[in-house]
Amino acid sequence: DGGITQSPKYLFRKEGQNVTLSCEQNLNHDAMYWYRQDPGQGLRLIYYSQIVNDFQKGDIAEGYSVSREKKESFPLTVTSAQKNPTAFYLCASSSKGLRGYTFGSGTRLTVV
Amino acid sequence: AQSVTQPDIHITVSEGASLELRCNYSYGATPYLFWYVQSPGQGLQLLLKYFSGDTLVQGIKGFEAEFKRSQSSFNLRKPSVHWSDAAEYFCAVGPYNTDKLIFGTGTRLQVFP
Repeated sequence: DGGITQSPKYLFRKEGQNVTLSCEQNLNHDAMYWYRQDPGQGLRLIYYSQIVNDFQKGDIAEGYSVSREKKESFPLTVTSAQKNPTAFYLCASSSKGLRGYTFGSGTRLTVV
Repeated sequence: AQSVTQPDIHITVSEGASLELRCNYSYGATPYLFWYVQSPGQGLQLLLKYFSGDTLVQGIKGFEAEFKRSQSSFNLRKPSVHWSDAAEYFCAVGPYNTDKLIFGTGTRLQVFP
């Protein structure tokens, strides 16, 4: 079955460390997105990519980095520059023409 | 600027009661409109979407939504709520010429037996 896989489901990080969240899709979607979700704040866009080897900053890109070397993969790195990284992170993908997003099941990152 | 407003942060209903979740958008033309549902600790699942045509849209799990251009609204309804409908609901708008969705801040639905 086609879908989006995010891993790991739970992630713990020590302060000062970088950590990478995985997002893989087998839907043949062109566009992929990373969102951060905090209680009461809805979904905030971190980065998005509409084509391989190209990506754009979203509303809260500071302290994050991404790559898009393959159509299927869009990993997100949370760097030590991100001041408050504890959150729920969601990856999504969509095909051209905006028929809606397909979401992964999320990664909960906790800084300890 | 495009925006989506969900005025109700938290709604509580009794099982079997009807439900209406409000969504208002700000956009210069007719956008693409979506409703998503999120169970705790999970991703978002698409309930329904509106692109054009009939303004009353049917979705999964017995939900429907009505697009009202004059009110810039896309409210979600269900005639009889089940306990399993307890979740967070997000409205989203997608401008025609981009691939990006703009999400509302969500409405948390609690269902009492």
